[in-house]
Amino acid sequence: AQSVTQPDIHITVSEGASLELRCNYSYGATPYLFWYVQSPGQGLQLLLKYFSGDTLVQGIKGFEAEFKRSQSSFNLRKPSVHWSDAAEYFCAVWFSGGYNKLIFGAGTRLAVHP
Amino acid sequence: DAGVTQSPTHLIKTRGQQVTLRCSPISGHKSVSWYQQVLGQGPQFIFQYYEKEERGRGNFPDRFSARQFPNYSSELNVNALLLGDSALYLCASSLGQGNQPQHFGDGTRLSIL
Repeated sequence: AQSVTQPDIHITVSEGASLELRCNYSYGATPYLFWYVQSPGQGLQLLLKYFSGDTLVQGIKGFEAEFKRSQSSFNLRKPSVHWSDAAEYFCAVWFSGGYNKLIFGAGTRLAVHP
Repeated sequence: DAGVTQSPTHLIKTRGQQVTLRCSPISGHKSVSWYQQVLGQGPQFIFQYYEKEERGRGNFPDRFSARQFPNYSSELNVNALLLGDSALYLCASSLGQGNQPQHFGDGTRLSIL
C-alpha cells in the first residue's frame, strides 16, 4: 500500500544546531517527493521538491533534502536552525496512476530552544 | 499576485447541517485539490479537479462532493455533517493535474457542534 511515514512526532533543537527530519515512503515506482512547512493557523508552504536527477535538492529558507532510493527515504536537513523555523513539517509523495493524489505524512513538530 | 484564497476562514455548524467551502486558485492554475486536516494529523486528500472534471478522489464518503467552475474556482460541499468532520479544510492549486507543486491556501476551519 502507498504510505508516507515520518517517524518523529516532535523534535526539539537548540538555535544554531543542525536539523534532520526523517521521511520514508512506500511506493512501487519512482515517486515525486515534497516537503511542506505549516505555521500555526496557516496553510502549507512548499519548501522543496524532488522529481528526478540530482538526489540532493535545495529549497527555500536554507533547507535541503536527499532522496535515497535504496532506503525509500527523503530526509530534510538544515545546517543551522533559526528560532523562526519552529513549525510543523510534512513530507508528501505524489502517487500517479489511476487516481492521482498527494499523500502526506503525519508531520513532525519542530521546537527551537534559544 | 494573489495566492490561493479560501472562504470563509472559520465556520461553525451543527450535526446534520450542510456546508459549502469556496476556493479561488492562483491565476493561471487550472487544477484545484481539497484536503482535510484533522488536528494533529497530516492533510488527507479528498478531491482533485482539473479543467472542471474530477481527476482524483480520496477515501471519503459520498457526503463529500465538489465541483470546479469555468473560472477554475471550486466549491467543496459536505452534507449531513458529523462531529468527526471538524477539521481544517485546505485547498491547493497547481498548473496541471500531474505532479506539479501544489500551492495551498490558509484553509477554512470548520467546527461541528
